[in-house]
Amino acid sequence: AQTVTQSQPEMSVQEAETVTLSCTYDTSESDYYLFWYKQPPSRQMILVIRQEAYKQQNATENRFSVNFQKAAKSFSLKISDSQLGDAAMYFCAYRSAVSGYSTLTFGKGTMLLVSP
Amino acid sequence: SAVISQKPSRDICQRGTSLTIQCQVDSQVTMMFWYRQQPGQSLTLIATANQGSEATYESGFVIDKFPISRPNLTFSTLTVSNMSPEDSSIYLCSVEDVTGETQYFGPGTRLLVL
Repeated sequence: AQTVTQSQPEMSVQEAETVTLSCTYDTSESDYYLFWYKQPPSRQMILVIRQEAYKQQNATENRFSVNFQKAAKSFSLKISDSQLGDAAMYFCAYRSAVSGYSTLTFGKGTMLLVSP
Repeated sequence: SAVISQKPSRDICQRGTSLTIQCQVDSQVTMMFWYRQQPGQSLTLIATANQGSEATYESGFVIDKFPISRPNLTFSTLTVSNMSPEDSSIYLCSVEDVTGETQYFGPGTRLLVL
């Protein structure tokens, strides 16, 4: 079974600074998807970014980018120019690309605190 | 991405009662998912609901406790039956996008059982 590990229960960053959230996973599959979701205090889960394992290029969405290291099974999220609105719980998630098997496996989450 | 709504957004219930949570999507989707998020915890999948078939439950979750309906391609309900304080959680529904690769989540239902 796949597992997702987020080793940082909490991280802090100042506005305009850059922060990196760590995520590692364990799988025997070669084709899969990885996601970062954000859950602000209002609790709506929002997709931040996703990465297909077959793509070598790291995904980027505006201020959010990932460092995907397939061999190391590492998938970190970098937030540049941090804003107060980035404060939230961030979850890393794994999904197999095997057809018909859609279950998401989540890490325990990292709480990101942003200070002025 | 699809627009997903849930009702109620929150509720306080007495133990031994049941609550039905509704999930509505603004477009037709094949698969819908129900998750539980206990206080301060990550998300745990309860079951997967396909239209026209029985829901598939994950280990540790049973139909008698969490009956699910999926009457059409835009709607599903999750019932939390015979509630106890341990059922106090956020319950979220999610759907896959048209590619079947990415899940999007509803706003959640915050349940407190006294």
